[in-house]
Amino acid sequence: AQTVTQSQPEMSVQEAETVTLSCTYDTSENNYYLFWYKQPPSRQMILVIRQEAYKQQNATENRFSVNFQKAAKSFSLKISDSQLGDTAMYFCAFMKTASNYQLIWGAGTKLIIKP
Amino acid sequence: SQTIHQWPATLVQPVGSPLSLECTVEGTSNPNLYWYRQAAGRGLQLLFYSVGIGQISSEVPQNLSASRPQDRQFILSSKKLLLSDSGFYLCAWSVQGVNEAFFGQGTRLTVV
Repeated sequence: AQTVTQSQPEMSVQEAETVTLSCTYDTSENNYYLFWYKQPPSRQMILVIRQEAYKQQNATENRFSVNFQKAAKSFSLKISDSQLGDTAMYFCAFMKTASNYQLIWGAGTKLIIKP
Repeated sequence: SQTIHQWPATLVQPVGSPLSLECTVEGTSNPNLYWYRQAAGRGLQLLFYSVGIGQISSEVPQNLSASRPQDRQFILSSKKLLLSDSGFYLCAWSVQGVNEAFFGQGTRLTVV
């Protein structure tokens, strides 16, 4: 069975700093997707970034980038130039490609950006 | 464009009362539909998913049930709520070829 582990329950950084959130996963699959979702206080779940396992190049979306290490089963999220609006819960999630798109979730990391 | 509606946003129900949460998707056909529950300070747990009308798969045995009476409608129900049913419930959808799940606004259920 697949599992997703986020070892940092909470992190806080100053505005404009760079922060990295950790995520590791366990699977025997070779083809899969990994996601980082953001859940602000409004509780809306918002996709931040997605990585296909067959792609070696790390995904980037503006200030958000990932460090995907397939052999190590690690998928960390880096937020550059952090902003107050980045304050949220961040969830790492795993999806098998042939699973009816079911997501397996980590427990989340609460990120606080301080002014 | 596709949208997902989930209601109500908040709900307070006494123990033993019934439950019905509704989710509808617009702008797409034959979506996969999901119900997740999020306990306080925890990640999401998949409860049910559906790949078509009347087709429901349950991931976790519990006091809840789901139904899909129409292609873009997904309902989460309970005949008698338990205190442990309290939590934040999220509906989501996805479609073949789009490897991403889209979420509703969620329902905060408090069983008292």
